[in-house]
Amino acid sequence: EVQLVESGGALVQPGGSLRLSCVASGFTFTSYSMNWVRQAPGKGLEWISYIPTSGTRTWYPDSVKGRFTISRDNAKNSLYLQMNSVRVEDTAVYYCARDVNYSLDYWGQGARVTVSS
Amino acid sequence: QSALTQPASVSGSPGQSITISCTGTNSDVGNYDRVSWYQQHPGKAPKLMIYEVSQRPSGVSDRFSGSKSGNTASLTISGLQAEDEADYYCCSYGRGGSWVFGGGTTLTV
Repeated sequence: EVQLVESGGALVQPGGSLRLSCVASGFTFTSYSMNWVRQAPGKGLEWISYIPTSGTRTWYPDSVKGRFTISRDNAKNSLYLQMNSVRVEDTAVYYCARDVNYSLDYWGQGARVTVSS
Repeated sequence: QSALTQPASVSGSPGQSITISCTGTNSDVGNYDRVSWYQQHPGKAPKLMIYEVSQRPSGVSDRFSGSKSGNTASLTISGLQAEDEADYYCCSYGRGGSWVFGGGTTLTV
């Protein structure tokens, strides 16, 4: 059974940093590209990062570019999101999701991040 | 990239059919057959319902179908059931290696 389990969500002050983790199981992690998607309270979905199987290049929307970094450790079947210089508007549930054919076929349960002083 | 445009809400009665539209640009929906649709129930993670415009993942009911014309993609749900009541999001791969979601549509059955 495919499983994605996020962790690391927390309350963080504006300007602070946080690292989210996502542990994958039930499939060959090294064979799949991965994404992070977030959802602010009462709002829609927003794609925020993509990493291919090799991890050699990454993609971000302008809203997080330069502040967030996606990475992966294929030996640990793990995906990460390093969040720096966080803002109040980064408050959201963060999902990791597996990429297949440019769609997201499996999602984790989400990690809640609250940015507040 | 700007979000894809979806109607905020649609409604239908059990057994009826509804269609949700998703309008983008020739930089995303119009240029790639990489449109997907997701269903999200309250408090739950999204679930993939359609990929590559019209393909259904294993296990998804054939009451769900997708199509595309120009810069607009559509999700049609036939034979509406109470369990279909949820939020629906479209998503498209876009130029420059990015993904963009629609604002979401709340379906009331």
